[in-house]
Amino acid sequence: QKEVEQDPGPLSVPEGAIVSLNCTYSNSAFQYFMWYRQYSRKGPELLMYTYSSGNKEDGRFTAQVDKSSKYISLFIRDSQPSDSATYLCAMHFGNEKLTFGTGTRLTIIP
Amino acid sequence: NAGVTQTPKFRILKIGQSMTLQCAQDMNHNYMYWYRQDPGMGLKLIYYSVGAGITDKGEVPNGYNVSRSTTEDFPLRLELAAPSQTSVYFCASTPTSGVPHEQFFGPGTRLTVL
Repeated sequence: QKEVEQDPGPLSVPEGAIVSLNCTYSNSAFQYFMWYRQYSRKGPELLMYTYSSGNKEDGRFTAQVDKSSKYISLFIRDSQPSDSATYLCAMHFGNEKLTFGTGTRLTIIP
Repeated sequence: NAGVTQTPKFRILKIGQSMTLQCAQDMNHNYMYWYRQDPGMGLKLIYYSVGAGITDKGEVPNGYNVSRSTTEDFPLRLELAAPSQTSVYFCASTPTSGVPHEQFFGPGTRLTVL
């Protein structure tokens, strides 16, 4: 079993829709949860991070963590064509290395 | 700051050739990483370094070597290139302290081995 599982997609939704991206994990030691966004032919860049169960909002983006279910989500409201990218979840504990999901490719259709 | 830079952007190698992928960062980060990214497979850690003179293997180190003589530079060496090494290679760095461990990525090197 992989430590982090992520639906690879691809996912296509119309502009303005709410998008839900999800990851599950098996290691209960994970403390810090991140979402990276990767545009085509670019390196990943950090979009959001959180370290506690619950929701964290940043503009149109909401990161949600449920530690009891070992499940994290990223919601995008009012999706825009500029949100089209691959989204990777990542997590770690202490000073350990990041463990990444495989990424979900998202396309927002104008 | 230029952040994390990688050269070259693209390279085509023949089977058995060798090459060095260059990575440099100007943020004075102690931790540096090399990943490869294959379609649908996410990022796989090849090697990492926690400081000058210290390197360690990641998940997929076979066929690669690294060195870290300075804080800024972390080159990745491919010896005897094989088609299985066709991939996009990313270098990343992160500060020593502070959580979470945000990694700053370079733009990547696209390598094809024919």
